[in-house]
Amino acid sequence: AQSVSQHNHHVILSEAASLELGCNYSYGGTVNLFWYVQYPGQHLQLLLKYFSGDPLVKGIKGFEAEFIKSKFSFNLRKPSVQWSDTAEYFCAVIFSGTYKYIFGTGTRLKVLA
Amino acid sequence: DAGVTQSPTHLIKTRGQHVTLRCSPISGHKSVSWYQQVLGQGPQFIFQYYEKEERGRGNFPDRFSARQFPNYSSELNVNALLLGDSALYLCASSLWMRAWETQYFGPGTRLLVL
Repeated sequence: AQSVSQHNHHVILSEAASLELGCNYSYGGTVNLFWYVQYPGQHLQLLLKYFSGDPLVKGIKGFEAEFIKSKFSFNLRKPSVQWSDTAEYFCAVIFSGTYKYIFGTGTRLKVLA
Repeated sequence: DAGVTQSPTHLIKTRGQHVTLRCSPISGHKSVSWYQQVLGQGPQFIFQYYEKEERGRGNFPDRFSARQFPNYSSELNVNALLLGDSALYLCASSLWMRAWETQYFGPGTRLLVL
């Protein structure tokens, strides 16, 4: 079955710490990969996406993600987090032949000032 | 530009009742998808509509139905509500129906079934 897993459910960091959130998916075919963020009280917003080309993708607010096909992974990174990055982060995958997102369970990030 | 809008924002129903949720996509967007987000989980796909036709359906019972209107707005209907239907229902729109397209999400309708 097609599935997406996010291993870190809750992450607490201090400001200026580096961030890496894991995302793995189950399927070996063509995939389109997304990271969404949900800030407190706001709706889901796209951070970045990958569908072809350079596997290192840069998004908004200093976030980046790397697609590693051999590991079925699309991890999200930020070198130095800020208090305003406190939010819930969702990895989503569109598997080949479909147009629907399969979401991971999300990671709640809390950044301490 | 206005984003995706959903109504109502909150709703309380009792078991067995019926509910209709509404979604207006971003102007010009032709595809609308519905997702259910239960507390502590990621959104789960319910339906996708494109050009007023159903193009995809998730693993939800027949109590769930939807439609898309000529102006591309959409309704999600749930019959015979169960306690487990309590969730945030999200609508997302995109310009076309292509796998690499960004889907833009609305704020959601929070449904509580008592």
